[in-house]
Amino acid sequence: DAGITQSPRHKVTETGTPVTLRCHQTENHRYMYWYRQDPGHGLRLIHYSYGVKDTDKGEVSDGYSVSRSKTEDFLLTLESATSSQTSVYFCAISDWDMPYEQYFGPGTRLTVT
Amino acid sequence: DAKTTQPPSMDCAEGRAANLPCNHSTISGNEYVYWYRQIHSQGPQYIIHGLKNNETNEMASLIITEDRKSSTLILPHATLRDTAVYYCIASNDMRFGAGTRLTVKP
Repeated sequence: DAGITQSPRHKVTETGTPVTLRCHQTENHRYMYWYRQDPGHGLRLIHYSYGVKDTDKGEVSDGYSVSRSKTEDFLLTLESATSSQTSVYFCAISDWDMPYEQYFGPGTRLTVT
Repeated sequence: DAKTTQPPSMDCAEGRAANLPCNHSTISGNEYVYWYRQIHSQGPQYIIHGLKNNETNEMASLIITEDRKSSTLILPHATLRDTAVYYCIASNDMRFGAGTRLTVKP
């Protein structure tokens, strides 16, 4: 399995609080992605990164920000969590020569009450 | 909307071949077809991809029609552990739709 870890694996937080999810890889892959998965919507891309300090928006980026200060870490921040952001969040990685061959982490289940 | 369409569900008997279809009539000439699967609540797992030619790896085979409007993922000897949701994705789009829920039955 690709070396991808996500932390925390589970989190319950209250509406209005900031939340940061971490994705860590040991594969030295160039690209990193954040997705959310909700019933009826499948997987949707939030943000992605194509290198250190290089990020771009995905399909559902509103309410989320990201940062990548090191190759191995990609952080997803919810500045002020809302109940609509209750979801399962997956991180994925891929390398420069096969950007669409993505390897996913185990996911973080976030509940906003 | 995603560029691919798949049946919502399929059943397969254990030990038999599972053939999962995907329609992608609008993909462009340089666009790859990728297959992933997601077992229960785990992260999606890459299976295989192809452009024009048929492809095979240790997990599955991918048959792409000559006109590239559709493809079939083949699991040659399905096991209970192959029960999952299977996603067919166009590379320039990379949208995971609803996929096909494959249930392998004993």
